[in-house]
Amino acid sequence: DTVLTQSPALAVSPGERVTISCRASESVSTLMHWYQQKPGQQPTLLIYLASNLESGVPARFSGSGSGTDFTLTIDPVEADDTATYYCQQSWNDPFTFGSGTKLEIK
Amino acid sequence: EVQLQESGPGLVKPSQSLSLTCSVTGYSITSNYWGWIRKFPGNKMEWMGYISYSGSTSYNPSLKSRISITRDTSKNQFFLQLNSVTTEDTATYYCARMDFTIAAIWFAYWGQGTLVTVSS
Repeated sequence: DTVLTQSPALAVSPGERVTISCRASESVSTLMHWYQQKPGQQPTLLIYLASNLESGVPARFSGSGSGTDFTLTIDPVEADDTATYYCQQSWNDPFTFGSGTKLEIK
Repeated sequence: EVQLQESGPGLVKPSQSLSLTCSVTGYSITSNYWGWIRKFPGNKMEWMGYISYSGSTSYNPSLKSRISITRDTSKNQFFLQLNSVTTEDTATYYCARMDFTIAAIWFAYWGQGTLVTVSS
């Protein structure tokens, strides 16, 4: 299975720029997607196909990357962005998720 | 607006079957793909499988011998059955609508999730 590696946690201050990385154990082309999960809620889609912003998601969120290295950027960060962020690939079978990056807003 | 709602027993005994229903409103399950994902304690997430608009299915190979996903188009519901459960199947189970292009698929809308505990 394709393993997706994410940093466990990050802490930033409001107004800063934060990048959350996801590295795949093998190429996933651009078939990488990003989700936000706030405590007690279901995941919501932020970015699909590496760089496409889902409708209704603030333009503060952006995604980039291809192959094995991907980045989710939030600029500027707001207090409401406190959540765990997951990457997920759909290039290789089975679909797999990263372990999540917990973002704390100081 | 599409909404998904999982339902089913919150407690299942080891060796028994886990059965969940996903009720969909605002969108027909005869369009798109419809999947099941679970999140284990400790936050690991696993894609379990999906059923397509035509009724075809695809499963995670790690579950292939135990899982079945079916649907009832008249009720706009789809179902998960997982057989021979163990305590390692304790997780929050989510259903989701999957959007797609010709070569890609992703989880666009998620239900609230339902916690299933496997315990005697």
